[in-house]
Amino acid sequence: GNSVTQMEGPVTLSEEAFLTINCTYTATGYPSLFWYVQYPGEGLQLLLKATKADDKGSNKGFEATYRKETTSFHLEKGSVQVSDSAVYFCALDTRSNDYKLSFGAGTTVTVRA
Amino acid sequence: GAVVSQHPSRVICKSGTSVKIECRSLDFQATTMFWYRQFPKQSLMLMATSNEGSKATYEQGVEKDKFLINHASLTLSTLTVTSAHPEDSSFYICSASTIHGYTFGSGTRLTVV
Repeated sequence: GNSVTQMEGPVTLSEEAFLTINCTYTATGYPSLFWYVQYPGEGLQLLLKATKADDKGSNKGFEATYRKETTSFHLEKGSVQVSDSAVYFCALDTRSNDYKLSFGAGTTVTVRA
Repeated sequence: GAVVSQHPSRVICKSGTSVKIECRSLDFQATTMFWYRQFPKQSLMLMATSNEGSKATYEQGVEKDKFLINHASLTLSTLTVTSAHPEDSSFYICSASTIHGYTFGSGTRLTVV
């Protein structure tokens, strides 16, 4: 079956630090990969996505590259801000399963000024 | 963009009572709505998929008589937790699939006392 393994948190950083959140997956077929972000008190928002191997998704300074050889989709940002404090979810969708998303456990990131 | 409005955001109810959670698509028609449950520090687990005008499809292990899903119109899906017990306390979140991807509601924190 499909599964996503995500780095456990919480992660606490200082402003302008480098952020990496590891995500690996197991899936049948050729999944699309996503990173969602949940700010306090809000719903999940799509942060970025990649639909095929070697694709790089990017948004708001965040990047993640779809690595088929290592079945990974690690999220990175070179210089975090306090406003990046949120819960980050890695997810996949194989499209062969009625568009159901499989989520990782979520990683809570807190950025201190 | 596509917006899903979920209400209530928080609810506290007594054990044995029922609670209804609503998700409305505000500017699009949601043929399919997904309902997730999230335990503390755990991932979002898909509970069921609701399709407008037909019965919901429940994931394995989810009691369909306890978690009643109604999707009577293209803009409204509801989840009713019947005869709630403390172990039903959780974060419930809905999602709709659109041509642009998945759109999530802001979630409902249910506490059963």
